[in-house]
Amino acid sequence: EPEVTQTPSHQVTQMGQEVILRCVPISNHLYFYWYRQILGQKVEFLVSFYNNEISEKSEIFDDQFSVERPDGSNFTLKIRSTKLEDSAMYFCAASRSVNEKLFFGSGTQLSVL
Amino acid sequence: KQEVTQIPAALSVPEGENLVLNCSFTDSAIYNLQWFRQDPGKGLTSLLLIQSSQREQTSGRLNASLDKSSGRSTLYIAASQPGDSATYLCAVRGTGSQGNLIFGKGTKLSVKP
Repeated sequence: EPEVTQTPSHQVTQMGQEVILRCVPISNHLYFYWYRQILGQKVEFLVSFYNNEISEKSEIFDDQFSVERPDGSNFTLKIRSTKLEDSAMYFCAASRSVNEKLFFGSGTQLSVL
Repeated sequence: KQEVTQIPAALSVPEGENLVLNCSFTDSAIYNLQWFRQDPGKGLTSLLLIQSSQREQTSGRLNASLDKSSGRSTLYIAASQPGDSATYLCAVRGTGSQGNLIFGKGTKLSVKP
């Protein structure tokens, strides 16, 4: 089974600080995604990324969020100024095409204090 | 706006039982539907993906069906085992989306030895 790798597994930060969450997608997968899950709530879509561009984003993905593929392998999610309500499990996912299975990483648990 | 509902929220069965998990969605304009498994503190594992033109998909002891017109899907698990204990999530991709999956809240399954 292909694997998406996420680091770190846990991140604790102070409100107002910037955080960068990292993901290494599966090598032959072209579509990348970030999702999040607040404790006890549904998994929510944040953004999809294809061909070095954002292809779709949700209302959650406001100006505080950005994504980047800086070196052709890593895929990052940056939150510029974290808020308490950003505390959640953040999942990276990848798929070969937009209509195929999504493979998820094991997540980064972000805690904003 | 697409809404995905899963019933029941939790289910406890003795080992060996066959069981059915239900998923309903409000907008039948979907490309596909995926069933995922989520273990505590872990990522999501894709179990089955059904395209909108398909009626069912099978993998081992799992069988997922899709009735797009009525907005329903079921996940059938045969001969349940304690290792099947997890939360099962249903997610749909709407037409026109670029990979944005809308998730249900999940059914937490416990299989007792």
